[in-house]
Amino acid sequence: DQQVKQNSPSLSVQEGRISILNCDYTNSMFDYFLWYKKYPAEGPTFLISISSIKDKNEDGRFTVFLNKSAKHLSLHIVPSQPGDSAVYFCAATGANSKLTFGKGITLSVRP
Amino acid sequence: DADVTQTPRNRITKTGKRIMLECSQTKGHDRMYWYRQDPGLGLQLIYYSFDVKDINKGEISDGYSVSRQAQAKFSLSLESAIPNQTALYFCATSDFAGYEQFFGPGTRLTVL
Repeated sequence: DQQVKQNSPSLSVQEGRISILNCDYTNSMFDYFLWYKKYPAEGPTFLISISSIKDKNEDGRFTVFLNKSAKHLSLHIVPSQPGDSAVYFCAATGANSKLTFGKGITLSVRP
Repeated sequence: DADVTQTPRNRITKTGKRIMLECSQTKGHDRMYWYRQDPGLGLQLIYYSFDVKDINKGEISDGYSVSRQAQAKFSLSLESAIPNQTALYFCATSDFAGYEQFFGPGTRLTVL
């Protein structure tokens, strides 16, 4: 049973526009959420995170929104750049500190 | 130099062979993890270790074993490799808080 779901396998956006990557979770014990970015032939790298006590966290072009009642989070990238093309993983954790990952979404930013 | 290194980066082996994947880190973190990634399945936790004397099974530990030789080293073994263990394997580390994990570059393993 998947506890972290990224239902869209891919997203294509035009350079300069907004990219919105969605993630849903089912485990109400999760209280911390992270986004990782992965380029081919490299390991995932941490991008941004949010605690369940917040509903928004911003870092430059990247903003993560958390809707606890809907068990939904989203990553917004504005403006999108070709270098943002990668696989993005949503992850969640709770008291045990283990990360549970979604399947990932492949973002393509067209020049 | 990379903070988390994995050797080998690529390996092709045959069914039934024993193989070891190694991970080293210079971040000084106590916690280390092994994941596998299959196409379309994201990252699944195989084993994790919160310190040298602590080893725990993850979601998919069957067919794997690990050894934490030192704070900086965590190795993953496949005692008798089978084709469905063909995957990308990642090692990761984290500090005490454990939320943000730092990943190695991965090992691509093919079992024929």
